[in-house]
Amino acid sequence: GDSVTQMEGPVTLSEEAFLTINCTYTATGYPSLFWYVQYPGEGLQLLLKATKADDKGSNKGFEATYRKETTSFHLEKGSVQVSDSAVYFCALSSYNFNKFYFGSGTKLNVKP
Amino acid sequence: SAVISQKPSRDICQRGTSLTIQCQVDSQVTMMFWYRQQPGQSLTLIATANQGSEATYESGFVIDKFPISRPNLTFSTLTVSNMSPEDSSIYLCSVELGRDAQDTQYFGPGTRLTVL
Repeated sequence: GDSVTQMEGPVTLSEEAFLTINCTYTATGYPSLFWYVQYPGEGLQLLLKATKADDKGSNKGFEATYRKETTSFHLEKGSVQVSDSAVYFCALSSYNFNKFYFGSGTKLNVKP
Repeated sequence: SAVISQKPSRDICQRGTSLTIQCQVDSQVTMMFWYRQQPGQSLTLIATANQGSEATYESGFVIDKFPISRPNLTFSTLTVSNMSPEDSSIYLCSVELGRDAQDTQYFGPGTRLTVL
C-alpha cells in the first residue's frame, strides 16, 4: 500500500544553517505530495505541495522537488531561523483520492 | 484555502465520560476528516465524514466509540465516548477542497484532550 517514510528527528541546527529533511514515498499511480508544519501547540499548516513529477513546491524559503525516479520529496531551506522550530510532516494524497498518508514527523530545533 | 475552527480547543475530562468536538468550516465542503494525534506521534485517520451519508471508519475505530455527525456542508462533530486515559490525544478535523484544489487537505487547530 501507499506509505511515506521520513527521517527521524529531532534535528538540531544553528540559526542560518542549511536544512534538509528527507522524505521518500511508496505509491501506486501518481500521488500529490505535501509538506505540513506543526508549530508548538497548534494544528497542521500546509507548507508546500507538488502534484506531478519534477514540480517544485516552495513557500517561506522552503522548497521540495517531486522526484519520481527516486520517489522522494525532500524538504530544504537555505538558512533556517529560530521561528522555523516545529514538527514537519511529509504526506501524500493517494491515487484513491480520499486517502492521505502521513510520515512520522520530524522535529526541528533551531538554536540562536 | 479554508478557515477551520474547532471547539473546544482543549479539555480535561474524567474517565468514563464523553466529549463532543465541533468542527466549523467557512465554506461548503464535501469531504471532512477526523484524525487523532497521540503525544509525539503522527496523525491517524479516524473516519471520513460526507454530508448526507454515514461516516466511514478506519480499521481500529468504531462508531460506538467515535460517533460522528455531519448535518450540513460546513459542520461536523466527533464524540469521544466512554473515555479512558488512552484517549488523551489531539483530535484534528480537516477538509478537502476538491479535485480543483488538487486533493489538498486543510486542518483545524486541533482539540487537546486529556483524560484523567
